[in-house]
Amino acid sequence: GNSVTQMEGPVTLSEEAFLTINCTYTATGYPSLFWYVQYPGEGLQLLLKATKADDKGSNKGFEATYRKETTSFHLEKGSVQVSDSAVYFCALRLSGGYNKLIFGAGTRLAVHP
Amino acid sequence: GAVVSQHPSRVICKSGTSVKIECRSLDFQATTMFWYRQFPKKSLMLMATSNEGSKATYEQGVEKDKFLINHASLTLSTLTVTSAHPEDSSFYICSAVAGADNEQFFGPGTRLTVL
Repeated sequence: GNSVTQMEGPVTLSEEAFLTINCTYTATGYPSLFWYVQYPGEGLQLLLKATKADDKGSNKGFEATYRKETTSFHLEKGSVQVSDSAVYFCALRLSGGYNKLIFGAGTRLAVHP
Repeated sequence: GAVVSQHPSRVICKSGTSVKIECRSLDFQATTMFWYRQFPKKSLMLMATSNEGSKATYEQGVEKDKFLINHASLTLSTLTVTSAHPEDSSFYICSAVAGADNEQFFGPGTRLTVL
């Protein structure tokens, strides 16, 4: 079936460290891929997305590249800040006009000064 | 733009009672809204797709008679948890679809605690 697997957290980093959160997926067809962020006490916000293979999504210093050959969409940031502390969710949306999102389990990131 | 609100943000109820949660798109119209359930330290589980003017489509394993969904207008969908039990305690999140990309915009969630 269709699913998303992302690395378990929590991930604890010092400010200005490099961040990678791994995400792999299983899906039929050609899904679109997303990263959402959930700050404490808030709803999910779209962070970035990619709709086809080799696309790179980027926003707020975060990047992720749609790798069809490895079915991956790893999230990276070169220098994290304390304000990046949140829960990050990888998700896919199936092709064919469906709007439903399938989420990974979420990865909590804690950045310390 | 594209703001989604939920009300209430927190609710505590006694076992056996019913609770209604509202999801509103504040600055856009949404023919499609989704309801999710999020368990502690777990992912979001899609419960149902709410379509304006028609019956909701429930995911496998979700009891439609227990989780009543009404999408009566283009800006409002409601989820009613009927005869709530402690195992229904969870964080319920809605989203509304908007834009040419069919992007989902999420509400802040409702924490339900059933005693």
